[in-house]
Amino acid sequence: DAKTTQPPSMDCAEGRAANLPCNHSTISGNEYVYWYRQIHSQGPQYIIHGLKNNETNEMASLIITEDRKSSTLILPHATLRDTAVYYCIVRVGGDSNYQLIWGAGTKLIIKP
Amino acid sequence: KAGVTQTPRYLIKTRGQQVTLSCSPISGHRSVSWYQQTPGQGLQFLFEYFSETQRNKGNFPGRFSGRQFSNSRSEMNVSTLELGDSALYLCASKTLAVQETQYFGPGTRLLVL
Repeated sequence: DAKTTQPPSMDCAEGRAANLPCNHSTISGNEYVYWYRQIHSQGPQYIIHGLKNNETNEMASLIITEDRKSSTLILPHATLRDTAVYYCIVRVGGDSNYQLIWGAGTKLIIKP
Repeated sequence: KAGVTQTPRYLIKTRGQQVTLSCSPISGHRSVSWYQQTPGQGLQFLFEYFSETQRNKGNFPGRFSGRQFSNSRSEMNVSTLELGDSALYLCASKTLAVQETQYFGPGTRLLVL
């Protein structure tokens, strides 16, 4: 069963920040949150991951609430090439026996 | 560095047949995972291989199997194909078993008629 809930679709204007929410209210203390995106007809691409602290890399920022029940992926300056399905994922299990549980994803459309 | 490659890219089979898909990971990556992606079920984990051993397995019937070779290349096999096996099959590789930055290939699109 999916452990994440995401809106099915979102729009964002080119050049603006895209904020993608994810609910993971049943997440356990040692379960990481990951984000991947999938551009049409390609394999998923890793974006970022975190446990409880906010994270930033060259692609995006990840904001995790203090209670860890939700998070937000931020694309600071969205471009048309950011149009994709964005997946919020929870890693369940320990280091030696784990699975990535993928949500249904949010289809993000960047408009000119 | 070359990315993850999967062959073939497209495949059409009929019910009851069997199929073998191939995945070549990024050079130096020893972990290979397989996923099934369908419009109804989304992305579902099939299994992971690390150093030629199956390390983790999802909830799929025994018709789905895989293996990994000493050069880290991996194959997955589906026997007695069913219509519901039509899907995009994705392979992902990573360097260390517990490190989660997986790099995905473009997938093999399988159509079962």
